[in-house]
Amino acid sequence: QQQVKQSPQSLIVQKGGISIINCAYENTAFDYFPWYQQFPGKGPALLIAIRPDVSEKKEGRFTISFNKSAKQFSLHIMDSQPGDSATYFCAARLNQGGKLIFGQGTELSVKP
Amino acid sequence: GAVVSQHPSWVICKSGTSVKIECRSLDFQATTMFWYRQFPKQSLMLMATSNEGSKATYEQGVEKDKFLINHASLTLSTLTVTSAHPEDSSFYICSAILAGTDTQYFGPGTRLTVL
Repeated sequence: QQQVKQSPQSLIVQKGGISIINCAYENTAFDYFPWYQQFPGKGPALLIAIRPDVSEKKEGRFTISFNKSAKQFSLHIMDSQPGDSATYFCAARLNQGGKLIFGQGTELSVKP
Repeated sequence: GAVVSQHPSWVICKSGTSVKIECRSLDFQATTMFWYRQFPKQSLMLMATSNEGSKATYEQGVEKDKFLINHASLTLSTLTVTSAHPEDSSFYICSAILAGTDTQYFGPGTRLTVL
């Protein structure tokens, strides 16, 4: 019940295309869902986050779509660029100040 | 923006020795910090939650006597890997929560190699 399942494990997208990464959860008590971007040898950096009372949040080329009834959320990267090539992690949190439960990660490669 | 630093960024040590890793919140106070371990091509695995002034809370399966955590101030938490062995070689990452927000900021990580 504490798991967050992320797919796909890896993704190859052409430059300018849309990258879509999906996550699913079981615990309806999760109250905060962030996405992190991680480059090799670096710590994760917060990309965008959403609360379950919102169905969509957009920041620049990055959009989170949230489906509360299906217990799923996804990250869409529009106009994907080679610089977006990184590993992306979704996560979920039980309460403010609480620990994050991470998905398995998606290795994104954007081809020029 | 909120910045979390770690020191050292990488360390190589001999089997049986102890290694201390520092995690600092540079421009904010963090009552709660977290320590993660990440193996190559894998997700972040939470090791423990560190609360300022109190004992750390360890995740199931993490040996608290091997991974000593101290959070003596609102800006500093330390992780000491005691009697390190090659299987402890990993990427250790800390994070801190900016008080009053949802945001958890991560440090740049420390690469530990035990020979």
